[in-house]
Amino acid sequence: AQKITQTQPGMFVQEKEAVTLDCTYDTSDPSYGLFWYKQPSSGEMIFLIYQGSYDQQNATEGRYSLNFQKARKSANLVISASQLGDSAMYFCAMSHTGFQKLVFGTGTRLLVSP
Amino acid sequence: EAGVTQFPSHSVIEKGQTVTLRCDPISGHDNLYWYRRVMGKEIKFLLHFVKESKQDESGMPNNRFLAERTGGTYSTLKVQPAELEDSGVYFCASSRPEKGKLFFGSGTQLSVL
Repeated sequence: AQKITQTQPGMFVQEKEAVTLDCTYDTSDPSYGLFWYKQPSSGEMIFLIYQGSYDQQNATEGRYSLNFQKARKSANLVISASQLGDSAMYFCAMSHTGFQKLVFGTGTRLLVSP
Repeated sequence: EAGVTQFPSHSVIEKGQTVTLRCDPISGHDNLYWYRRVMGKEIKFLLHFVKESKQDESGMPNNRFLAERTGGTYSTLKVQPAELEDSGVYFCASSRPEKGKLFFGSGTQLSVL
Protein backbone atom coordinates (compact mmCIF):
# COMPACT_ATOMS: atom_id res chain seq x y z
CA ALA A 1 0.00 0.00 0.00
CA GLN A 2 1.09 3.53 -0.65
CA LYS A 3 1.75 5.83 2.27
CA ILE A 4 3.05 9.36 2.67
CA THR A 5 4.51 10.56 5.96
CA GLN A 6 5.03 14.18 6.89
CA THR A 7 6.52 14.29 10.37
CA GLN A 8 6.54 18.05 10.83
CA PRO A 9 3.11 19.35 11.83
CA GLY A 10 4.48 22.90 11.93
CA MET A 11 7.57 24.75 10.78
CA PHE A 12 8.77 28.30 11.36
CA VAL A 13 11.19 30.22 9.18
CA GLN A 14 12.28 33.81 8.87
CA GLU A 15 11.72 35.73 5.72
CA LYS A 16 14.46 35.30 3.10
CA GLU A 17 15.75 32.10 4.67
CA ALA A 18 15.49 28.65 3.13
CA VAL A 19 13.31 25.94 4.63
CA THR A 20 13.01 22.20 4.05
CA LEU A 21 9.73 20.36 4.50
CA ASP A 22 10.14 16.64 4.99
CA CYS A 23 8.28 13.91 3.18
CA THR A 24 8.90 10.19 3.15
CA TYR A 25 6.92 7.65 1.20
CA ASP A 26 6.36 3.95 1.08
CA THR A 27 5.58 1.97 -2.04
CA SER A 28 6.57 -1.28 -3.68
CA ASP A 29 5.78 -0.03 -7.16
CA PRO A 30 8.84 1.04 -9.20
CA SER A 31 6.84 3.64 -11.10
CA TYR A 32 5.31 6.54 -9.20
CA GLY A 33 5.09 10.29 -9.04
CA LEU A 34 5.62 12.63 -6.13
CA PHE A 35 3.89 15.99 -5.72
CA TRP A 36 3.81 18.97 -3.45
CA TYR A 37 0.76 21.15 -3.03
CA LYS A 38 0.35 24.40 -1.14
CA GLN A 39 -2.89 25.32 0.60
CA PRO A 40 -3.08 28.97 1.64
CA SER A 41 -5.76 30.29 3.95
CA SER A 42 -8.07 30.72 0.96
CA GLY A 43 -8.40 26.94 0.88
CA GLU A 44 -7.39 26.26 -2.71
CA MET A 45 -4.83 23.52 -3.28
CA ILE A 46 -2.06 24.88 -5.49
CA PHE A 47 0.26 22.54 -7.39
CA LEU A 48 3.91 23.35 -6.74
CA ILE A 49 6.18 20.67 -8.11
CA TYR A 50 6.31 17.13 -9.49
CA GLN A 51 9.00 14.43 -9.49
CA GLY A 52 8.76 11.18 -11.40
CA SER A 53 10.39 8.09 -9.96
CA TYR A 54 12.52 7.65 -13.06
CA ASP A 55 13.57 11.27 -13.35
CA GLN A 56 17.32 11.53 -13.11
CA GLN A 57 17.43 15.09 -11.86
CA ASN A 58 15.69 16.74 -8.94
CA ALA A 59 12.72 18.83 -10.01
CA THR A 60 12.88 22.60 -9.64
CA GLU A 61 10.21 25.26 -10.13
CA GLY A 62 11.39 28.74 -9.35
CA ARG A 63 12.06 28.96 -5.62
CA TYR A 64 10.84 25.40 -5.10
CA SER A 65 13.03 22.36 -5.47
CA LEU A 66 12.39 18.74 -4.62
CA ASN A 67 15.22 16.87 -2.92
CA PHE A 68 14.51 13.38 -4.22
CA GLN A 69 16.44 10.58 -2.52
CA LYS A 70 15.06 7.38 -3.99
CA ALA A 71 17.01 4.94 -1.84
CA ARG A 72 15.80 6.68 1.31
CA LYS A 73 12.29 7.11 -0.13
CA SER A 74 12.26 10.76 0.67
CA ALA A 75 10.99 13.72 -1.35
CA ASN A 76 11.66 16.82 0.67
CA LEU A 77 10.50 20.23 -0.53
CA VAL A 78 13.03 23.03 -0.32
CA ILE A 79 11.78 26.61 -0.47
CA SER A 80 14.55 29.09 -0.99
CA ALA A 81 14.35 32.76 0.05
CA SER A 82 11.07 32.37 1.96
CA GLN A 83 8.44 35.05 1.56
CA LEU A 84 5.57 36.02 3.83
CA GLY A 85 3.18 34.68 1.21
CA ASP A 86 4.68 31.23 1.62
CA SER A 87 2.84 30.84 4.93
CA ALA A 88 0.42 28.00 4.27
CA MET A 89 -0.20 24.28 4.65
CA TYR A 90 1.99 22.11 2.46
CA PHE A 91 0.98 18.62 1.39
CA CYS A 92 3.17 15.92 -0.06
CA ALA A 93 1.40 13.39 -2.27
CA MET A 94 2.12 10.34 -4.41
CA SER A 95 0.47 8.62 -7.33
CA HIS A 96 1.06 5.37 -9.13
CA THR A 97 -1.22 6.28 -12.02
CA GLY A 98 0.35 9.36 -13.53
CA PHE A 99 -1.18 12.43 -11.97
CA GLN A 100 -4.33 10.68 -10.88
CA LYS A 101 -5.62 9.30 -7.58
CA LEU A 102 -3.19 10.99 -5.24
CA VAL A 103 -2.30 9.70 -1.78
CA PHE A 104 -1.61 12.60 0.57
CA GLY A 105 0.32 13.13 3.76
CA THR A 106 -1.16 14.96 6.76
CA GLY A 107 0.51 18.22 5.83
CA THR A 108 2.96 20.68 7.35
CA ARG A 109 1.95 24.18 8.36
CA LEU A 110 4.65 26.68 7.46
CA LEU A 111 4.77 30.10 9.09
CA VAL A 112 7.10 32.70 7.65
CA SER A 113 7.92 35.56 10.00
CA PRO A 114 9.24 39.01 9.05
CA GLU B 1 -9.31 30.78 -17.55
CA ALA B 2 -11.63 30.15 -14.60
CA GLY B 3 -10.41 27.68 -12.00
CA VAL B 4 -12.25 24.81 -10.37
CA THR B 5 -15.28 26.19 -8.58
CA GLN B 6 -16.96 24.58 -5.62
CA PHE B 7 -20.25 25.51 -3.99
CA PRO B 8 -21.05 26.09 -1.23
CA SER B 9 -17.82 27.07 0.48
CA HIS B 10 -19.31 26.14 3.84
CA SER B 11 -22.26 24.01 4.87
CA VAL B 12 -23.57 23.36 8.36
CA ILE B 13 -26.27 20.72 8.68
CA GLU B 14 -27.73 18.46 11.31
CA LYS B 15 -27.18 14.75 11.47
CA GLY B 16 -29.68 12.96 9.30
CA GLN B 17 -30.12 15.79 6.82
CA THR B 18 -29.10 15.75 3.18
CA VAL B 19 -26.42 17.94 1.63
CA THR B 20 -25.39 18.34 -1.99
CA LEU B 21 -21.99 19.70 -2.93
CA ARG B 22 -21.31 21.01 -6.39
CA CYS B 23 -18.12 21.20 -8.42
CA ASP B 24 -17.58 23.02 -11.71
CA PRO B 25 -14.32 21.85 -13.27
CA ILE B 26 -12.16 23.87 -15.61
CA SER B 27 -13.72 23.94 -19.06
CA GLY B 28 -12.38 21.14 -21.24
CA HIS B 29 -11.18 19.02 -18.35
CA ASP B 30 -12.63 15.54 -18.81
CA ASN B 31 -11.14 14.22 -15.60
CA LEU B 32 -12.91 15.20 -12.38
CA TYR B 33 -12.02 14.01 -8.89
CA TRP B 34 -13.48 14.26 -5.44
CA TYR B 35 -11.25 14.17 -2.37
CA ARG B 36 -12.02 14.60 1.32
CA ARG B 37 -10.04 15.72 4.34
CA VAL B 38 -11.41 14.78 7.71
CA MET B 39 -10.10 16.95 10.54
CA GLY B 40 -6.44 16.29 11.26
CA LYS B 41 -6.17 13.44 8.82
CA GLU B 42 -4.91 12.95 5.30
CA ILE B 43 -6.72 14.13 2.22
CA LYS B 44 -8.24 10.99 0.75
CA PHE B 45 -9.41 10.12 -2.73
CA LEU B 46 -13.12 9.50 -3.12
CA LEU B 47 -13.73 9.00 -6.82
CA HIS B 48 -12.75 9.85 -10.37
CA PHE B 49 -14.95 10.70 -13.34
CA VAL B 50 -13.89 10.64 -16.95
CA LYS B 51 -16.54 12.77 -18.60
CA GLU B 52 -19.82 11.40 -17.23
CA SER B 53 -18.49 7.93 -16.39
CA LYS B 54 -17.19 6.84 -13.01
CA GLN B 55 -13.68 5.61 -13.64
CA ASP B 56 -12.83 4.74 -10.07
CA GLU B 57 -15.07 5.05 -7.01
CA SER B 58 -12.98 2.91 -4.70
CA GLY B 59 -12.64 5.70 -2.16
CA MET B 60 -16.34 6.30 -1.56
CA PRO B 61 -16.88 5.54 2.13
CA ASN B 62 -20.37 4.03 1.92
CA ASN B 63 -23.67 4.12 0.08
CA ARG B 64 -24.74 7.34 1.81
CA PHE B 65 -22.52 9.11 -0.71
CA LEU B 66 -23.71 9.55 -4.29
CA ALA B 67 -21.70 11.33 -6.95
CA GLU B 68 -23.01 12.29 -10.36
CA ARG B 69 -21.68 14.08 -13.39
CA THR B 70 -24.52 14.32 -15.84
CA GLY B 71 -23.43 15.58 -19.25
CA GLY B 72 -19.81 15.38 -18.29
CA THR B 73 -19.64 18.95 -17.05
CA TYR B 74 -20.28 19.81 -13.43
CA SER B 75 -20.48 17.20 -10.70
CA THR B 76 -22.49 16.86 -7.53
CA LEU B 77 -21.73 14.89 -4.41
CA LYS B 78 -24.74 14.12 -2.26
CA VAL B 79 -24.57 12.87 1.29
CA GLN B 80 -27.81 11.34 2.51
CA PRO B 81 -28.33 11.02 5.41
CA ALA B 82 -25.33 12.90 6.79
CA GLU B 83 -23.54 11.55 9.85
CA LEU B 84 -21.18 13.29 12.27
CA GLU B 85 -18.13 11.55 10.81
CA ASP B 86 -18.86 13.07 7.40
CA SER B 87 -17.62 16.43 8.62
CA GLY B 88 -14.56 17.65 6.79
CA VAL B 89 -13.40 19.50 3.73
CA TYR B 90 -14.48 18.12 0.37
CA PHE B 91 -12.20 19.00 -2.51
CA CYS B 92 -12.88 18.74 -6.18
CA ALA B 93 -10.11 18.62 -8.78
CA SER B 94 -9.95 18.41 -12.55
CA SER B 95 -7.39 17.69 -15.22
CA ARG B 96 -7.16 17.65 -19.01
CA PRO B 97 -8.23 14.67 -21.13
CA GLU B 98 -4.64 13.63 -21.76
CA LYS B 99 -4.10 13.78 -18.01
CA GLY B 100 -1.73 16.05 -16.26
CA LYS B 101 -1.53 17.93 -13.04
CA LEU B 102 -4.67 18.28 -10.98
CA PHE B 103 -6.21 21.68 -10.45
CA PHE B 104 -8.05 21.83 -7.16
CA GLY B 105 -10.93 23.95 -6.00
CA SER B 106 -11.06 25.74 -2.66
CA GLY B 107 -13.12 22.99 -1.10
CA THR B 108 -16.42 22.82 0.74
CA GLN B 109 -16.20 22.80 4.52
CA LEU B 110 -18.97 20.48 5.71
CA SER B 111 -19.96 20.46 9.36
CA VAL B 112 -22.48 17.89 10.55
CA LEU B 113 -23.85 18.69 14.00
